[in-house]
Amino acid sequence: QSVLTQPPSVSGAPGQRVTISCTGSSSNIGARYDVHWYQQLPGTAPKLLIYGYTNRPSGVPDRFSGSKSGTSASLAITGLQSEDEADYYCQSYDSSLSAWVFGGGTKLTVL
Amino acid sequence: QVQLVESGGGVVQPGRSLRLSCAASGFPFSRYPMHWVRQAPGKGLEWVAVISYDGSNQDYAVSLRGRFTISRDNSKNTLYLQMNSLGAGDTAVYYCARDHTSDYWGQGTLVTVSS
Repeated sequence: QSVLTQPPSVSGAPGQRVTISCTGSSSNIGARYDVHWYQQLPGTAPKLLIYGYTNRPSGVPDRFSGSKSGTSASLAITGLQSEDEADYYCQSYDSSLSAWVFGGGTKLTVL
Repeated sequence: QVQLVESGGGVVQPGRSLRLSCAASGFPFSRYPMHWVRQAPGKGLEWVAVISYDGSNQDYAVSLRGRFTISRDNSKNTLYLQMNSLGAGDTAVYYCARDHTSDYWGQGTLVTVSS
């Protein structure tokens, strides 16, 4: 059971918009610790997609965006493309554990 | 360009120890905190440990405290992970990552704990 909860899977057709939620608690997201999002394509290392809730590293398309509300964060992907099919993970810091934590991951399928 | 290259993985018997290395290049290594993250086969990412830029502070996943030790040698631009009393549950690909945003990752090194 992960400290940060993500849906195991989401799907969408090409061109559509999908969102992936990351639900935490008052000791992590709710305590205003940063949330980062990573994309992991099959057989590769994770790649930073969003940092500090809403910021995109250079080279990441603006189709990817992040947001936060209360004890949850979300990743939105618009204009879905086949190459977006991957696993997505959220990460934050948890003060009660004194440790960084990942969500369980969400597998995105592009139909 | 930023490069992180892990090494030291392999097959190890249960109860034995292993030390992983992560060679960094392309950035001022001594200015960045560094993390280890692992991923068991077919599973999600699991944060392992973090070390401050100067090595003075470390922190570990609760379940690994006491068995794993993170360290660094800034003169060699190298990060380490000493893993003791290994068990089957430690079988995973181990990644090193730069900074608290983990903006760069290595390719990973596979550790298999098996008799």
